[in-house]
Parts: sequence; structure tokens; C-alpha cells
Amino acid sequence: EAQVTQNPRYLITVTGKKLTVTCSQNMNHEYMSWYRQDPGLGLRQIYYSMNVEVTDKGDVPEGYKVSRKEKRNFPLILESPSPNQTSLYFCASSPTSATAYEQYFGPGTRLTVT
Amino acid sequence: DQQVKQNSPSLSVQEGRISILNCDYTNSMFDYFLWYKKYPAEGPTFLISISSIKDKNEDGRFTVFLNKSAKHLSLHIVPSQPGDSAVYFCAASGSGTYKYIFGTGTRLKVLA
Repeated sequence: EAQVTQNPRYLITVTGKKLTVTCSQNMNHEYMSWYRQDPGLGLRQIYYSMNVEVTDKGDVPEGYKVSRKEKRNFPLILESPSPNQTSLYFCASSPTSATAYEQYFGPGTRLTVT
Repeated sequence: DQQVKQNSPSLSVQEGRISILNCDYTNSMFDYFLWYKKYPAEGPTFLISISSIKDKNEDGRFTVFLNKSAKHLSLHIVPSQPGDSAVYFCAASGSGTYKYIFGTGTRLKVLA
């Protein structure tokens, strides 16, 4: 089944403890992206990647890192999480950057930082 | 500064009637606009898009209208069905960028 998977789905952690949220797609998509969803703020793009080793900042990149070493994976790294990074995170992918208006989203990861 | 705004947080419509969801944007460099639908506990799913060279795009029950001079787009759902009850996000992208700016969402409830 073609899909975008995220792990973990739920995570509670403490301030300052480094964490990684993994994202993987099995559709051979070039474009991948991370978003966070917060009440009253909608979806905000954190980082995106147009292909392997090509990443760029979205609207809210502060406090996050990403890497794209292989096509299928696009992990989101929080080096020193803070409570304001408590949010619902979505990974998404699209066949190419040109088709990135139509993105396939994963099921989401709910992160709580205490 | 919110570049894409959905000023109605919620909307209720009777089954069979038209649902109209609105979206305003401020950046005149945006040239591609999209709508996504989101059910609870799921990721958003793509619904429909429109390029700035068009003023209307239809896909079945869903039609998106773009008014560039007013920097306004709207999504029409006709007829509305209970399964359309979801949160709808509009989004925009600028020429030559692959960055997407989403609105805050409108929760649509279609009453049976």
C-alpha cells in the first residue's frame, strides 16, 4: 500500500532531550515536507526537501533540523526540544517539486514537551 | 503576519445545500492555490487546486474560484453531504518556490 509513515505516533518528552521523528514514504517521491499544526495557527511548513541532499526552510524552521540522505526517508530532528514545540506534526510527500501542490500526508505525530 | 487567512473558523450547512468556504491572501506573488480537507486523527488530503492563470476549476462537486484583484479564493461544495464534514485548509505557493503557506482552517459541519 502506498503510504507515508511516521514514528512515533505519540511522544511525551522533557525539555532539552534530543529526539527524532521519522518519516518514510514508499512511493519513490522526490519532494518531502514537514508541517506542524497548532490551534488557531493552522498548518505551518517547517522544512521541505526537493530531492536527496536538497533541503530548504519553510515558514517556521527555528529549533528543527532535517536531513535527506535517501529518497524514502526525511527525519525531523529536535536537538533541544522546548514546550513551544508541543504540537501535532505531519510529514508529507509528492512525486516531484512541480507536483508539490498535491501532497500525501502521513497520519501525524503528537508531540508533548514538558 | 498571516499571508493566507480563513476568517471563518466554522460553518454549518444543511445536507444538499451549497457550502462556500472563503480564503484571502495578501501576497501578490502567490500563483498557485490549493484546498485540503482534514478529518480528525488523519493527515490532510488534497482536494483541488487552481493556478493564477485561471479563475475557476471544477472537480465533481467541488469548484474553486479565484479573484486575483481581490486576492480572494473560495471553495464551493454542491451539493453538500454529511461526509464533507471536516476541516478545510486553503494554501498558496509563490512562483519558483516550493514552499506552501496554509490558512488556519474552517471547520465545516454538514447537517443531515
